[in-house]
Amino acid sequence: DIQMTQSPSSLSASVGDRVTITCQASQDISNYLNWYQQKPGKAPKLLIYDASNLETGVPSRFSGSGSGTDFTFTISSLQPEDIATYYCQQYDNLRTFGQGTKLEIK
Amino acid sequence: QVQLQESGPGLVKPSQTLSLTCTVSGGSISSGSYYWSWIRQPAGKGLEWIGRIYTSGSTNYNPSLKSRVTISVDTSKNQFSLKLSSVTAADTAVYYCARERSRWILSSNLYYFDYWGQGTLVTVSS
Repeated sequence: DIQMTQSPSSLSASVGDRVTITCQASQDISNYLNWYQQKPGKAPKLLIYDASNLETGVPSRFSGSGSGTDFTFTISSLQPEDIATYYCQQYDNLRTFGQGTKLEIK
Repeated sequence: QVQLQESGPGLVKPSQTLSLTCTVSGGSISSGSYYWSWIRQPAGKGLEWIGRIYTSGSTNYNPSLKSRVTISVDTSKNQFSLKLSSVTAADTAVYYCARERSRWILSSNLYYFDYWGQGTLVTVSS
C-alpha cells in the first residue's frame, strides 16, 4: 500500500501570507497526485490534478509542484475563503489520501 | 451538470451490513471514461477510499476493507451501491459517493474525483 504523509497537520496564517503544504509518498508515484479542498460540512473539491495542473475555475493563487515522492501545494496569497482542510491523494496504485492539513486564519 | 446523491439507513447495528446507494443525475453512468467510487470520513478525521466500480462491473477495493466490501452498479437505474458487512463502531462515518474521471494527456492516464455527493452519515450503534 502507498502511504501519503502530509505536513503540517495544521497551520495558522494571516491573510495575504504565502502558505505551503507538503505531501510525501511512501514510494515513487511519478506525478500521479491530486489536491483537494474541504470546507466544514461539505464534500471535497478538486483544486490541482496531476501534481501541478489547476482545475478549471480554481483561482490562480493555488498551485502545485513535485514528482516522485515529494510534492508541494502553495497558496500564494491567503484569502479568508481559503480556510479549509486540504488533502493530497495519490492514484498511482489504488487510491490513498493524506491525513489532511487544517488551515486557519491567524 | 452531474449530481450524485447518497441514500440509505443512517443507523446500522453492529455486525450487520451497511447498504448505501448513489443515484447519478445529469448524465448516464455508462457514458464516458468514468469510475464510480465510495469514500468515507469519520468525524473529525481524514478521507478513506473504500473502492470503485466501472460500468463493465470491474471493481477495485481498499485492501484494508476488501474482505467486507461489495460495490455494484445498476445502469438501468443510473445507480451504484455499497455493501459493507460485519460493521463495528469504527465504520461510523460520513460516506461519500464520487465520480472519478479518467483522462489521457500525452502519454499519461490521469484520474481525479471531479464530482461528489453531499455525503451521508452512517452511525453504527445498537
